Amino acid sequence: GAGVSQSPSNKVTEKGKDVELRCDPISGHTALYWYRQRLGQGLEFLIYFQGNSAPDKSGLPSDRFSAERTGESVSTLTIQRTQQEDSAVYLCASSQDRSPGELFFGEGSRLTVL
Amino acid sequence: QKEVEQNSGPLSVPEGAIASLNCTYSDRGSQSFFWYRQYSGKSPELIMSIYSNGDKEDGRFTAQLNKASQYVSLLIRDSQPSDSATYLCAGTSGTYKYIFGTGTRLKVLA
Repeated sequence: GAGVSQSPSNKVTEKGKDVELRCDPISGHTALYWYRQRLGQGLEFLIYFQGNSAPDKSGLPSDRFSAERTGESVSTLTIQRTQQEDSAVYLCASSQDRSPGELFFGEGSRLTVL
Repeated sequence: QKEVEQNSGPLSVPEGAIASLNCTYSDRGSQSFFWYRQYSGKSPELIMSIYSNGDKEDGRFTAQLNKASQYVSLLIRDSQPSDSATYLCAGTSGTYKYIFGTGTRLKVLA
């Protein structure tokens, strides 16, 4: 597709379950970002990928969060043993190269933990 | 902690007026700044980018950057109801990290 694609768009899960969120960036974009946006809040940086490597994981809130990227394309954000405070919209964005430029965002994955 | 701060609003302006959105940042090393518009329930989309001191105009939008004062602003001329959204200011920290403010909610009243 032409844009950043994320799935699922909505996920409702029970506390303690694991969830996987997927991001398919724009083809050829080497930089990929995950952000978290809680209701009424700004964007909270989680992790940055350049190619398949993650030079900055500093925003991951706890060791329950992990992410990987393969083939310099698809990325998966995994949250283990979900907690209610994990409820948020998880946004993925990609950018063409290393230099700060335009971030193209996906529509987000809305996670609700009951 | 490097921060970007914005007034959360809402900022209400009448249709046709100029809307002025402001942002301050703490990292003196920040070089690039961006304004994103986010409609409710939607993802952010880029409105303007600015990299050097001064003004940058694009249609009804003007971004202003003052690095000495660590201040970025966005002016929207001839505001329309369709401009009603949350506007996110972002600055870069280092070569790749974007720090976002919490956003200012703009309401343009018809």
